[in-house]
Amino acid sequence: GESVGLHLPTLSVQEGDNSIINCAYSNSASDYFIWYKQESGKGPQFIIDIRSNMDKRQGQRVTVLLNKTVKHLSLQIAATQPGDSAVYFCAENGGGTSYGKLTFGQGTILTVHP
Amino acid sequence: DVKVTQSSRYLVKRTGEKVFLECVQDMDHENMFWYRQDPGLGLRLIYFSYDVKMKEKGDIPEGYSVSREKKERFSLILESASTNQTSMYLCASSFRAGQYFGPGTRLTVT
Repeated sequence: GESVGLHLPTLSVQEGDNSIINCAYSNSASDYFIWYKQESGKGPQFIIDIRSNMDKRQGQRVTVLLNKTVKHLSLQIAATQPGDSAVYFCAENGGGTSYGKLTFGQGTILTVHP
Repeated sequence: DVKVTQSSRYLVKRTGEKVFLECVQDMDHENMFWYRQDPGLGLRLIYFSYDVKMKEKGDIPEGYSVSREKKERFSLILESASTNQTSMYLCASSFRAGQYFGPGTRLTVT
C-alpha cells in the first residue's frame, strides 16, 4: 500500500537556526497535505496545510514546500526556538478519499538546543 | 479556534473492565476519528464516523466499538479492556479536509 514517510527520524539544531523537516509521499493522487506538531504528552497540533495546486505556502515562521514531481514535502521553520522542540509529522489525504481520512507519516523528532 | 476535548487525560483501568472514552468537538464537524498512538507504530485509525449514528472501521477495530448519538460527540468503547490496549488514544474531527486533534487520553490497563 502507499504510505507517507520521512527521510530523517531526528533533527538537532541550535536556537536561531532554520530547520527543515522532510517528508516523501508515494500516493500521486494525494491532493492535500498537512504538517502537525506534537509535543510530549499532548495531541497533534495542526501547523500548516497545502493543496496540490500550490507549491509553497507560508505561515508564521513556517513554510511548507510541495514538489509534486518528486513527491516530496518539506516544512521549514525559521529562527527555531526551544519551544519548537517536538515531533513533527506529515499527513496526506490519498486523493479524494472520503470523510477526511488521512495517512500519517511516522514523525521526525526536532530538538532545539539553547 | 477548533476545540476538541477528551473526557480524561489519564485513565487507569483493570483487565476486563468496560471503558468509555469520550470526545466532544465544538465546530459542527461532520467527521470524527479515534486513533491510538504507540511508540514506533505511529497513529493507527480505530474507527471513524462521517455522520450521526454512522461509523466505519479503521485499520485496527478489533476489541473496540464506537457510538455517535450526537454530532458533537464520539465515544470509543473498550468492551473488555486488555493490557495490550494500554496506549495513548487520540480523537480528531474534520470537515472535508484537515483533522484537528484533542489532547489525548493516556490509558493504562493493569
